[in-house]
Amino acid sequence: EVQLLESGGGLVQPGGSLRLSCAASGFTFSNYAMNWVRLAPGRGLEWVSGIRASGRSTTHADSVEGRFTISRDNSKNTLYLQMNSLRADDTALYYCAKALYDFVDDAVDSWGQGTLVTVSS
Amino acid sequence: IVLTQSPGTLSLSPGERATLSCRASQSLSGRYLAWYQQKPGQAPRLLIYGVSSRATGIPDRFRGSGSGTDFTLTISRLEPEDFAVYYCQQYDSSPQGGFTFGPGTKVDVK
Repeated sequence: EVQLLESGGGLVQPGGSLRLSCAASGFTFSNYAMNWVRLAPGRGLEWVSGIRASGRSTTHADSVEGRFTISRDNSKNTLYLQMNSLRADDTALYYCAKALYDFVDDAVDSWGQGTLVTVSS
Repeated sequence: IVLTQSPGTLSLSPGERATLSCRASQSLSGRYLAWYQQKPGQAPRLLIYGVSSRATGIPDRFRGSGSGTDFTLTISRLEPEDFAVYYCQQYDSSPQGGFTFGPGTKVDVK
């Protein structure tokens, strides 16, 4: 059974940083693209960042480009999201999401339960 | 590509048929359309990918159809556990990569 367990969320001041982690199990992590998707109050689901299986190709939404960095450690079956220069509109529940195949542009067949990030002074 | 979903809320009774619409701002170059179900406090669940392929374990009362810019999710007979929010997602290739979701349709009990 696929399991994705996010951690690292919390309350942070505007301009601050957080690093999210996602521990994966139940599948061959190094074979699949992974993404971060967020759900903000009243704003629906928004794709944030994606990374291919090898880790050599990454992409980010315009809203986080230059502030967030996605990475992965296939030896540890773990996905990361480094979030810098956080803003109030980054407040959301952040989901770790497994792609169907090794494409960032793909459907998501497994989701974690999410980790809450709140940006507020 | 921007997705719009209609209606925003669909009020139906168990046993009735639900028809949810998803429209894309431009034609998808392939079958890059998926549907998800989300219940309060839970993560989204993949129902349909590739316009009409059911994900593992999804009952056959869920059916996806459509092409180009217009797509439909049909639930043939609503079960009590089907009352939820439904999102469509397009994952057509773009220079930046990634994908977008529609704003969702809430199916609630009439």
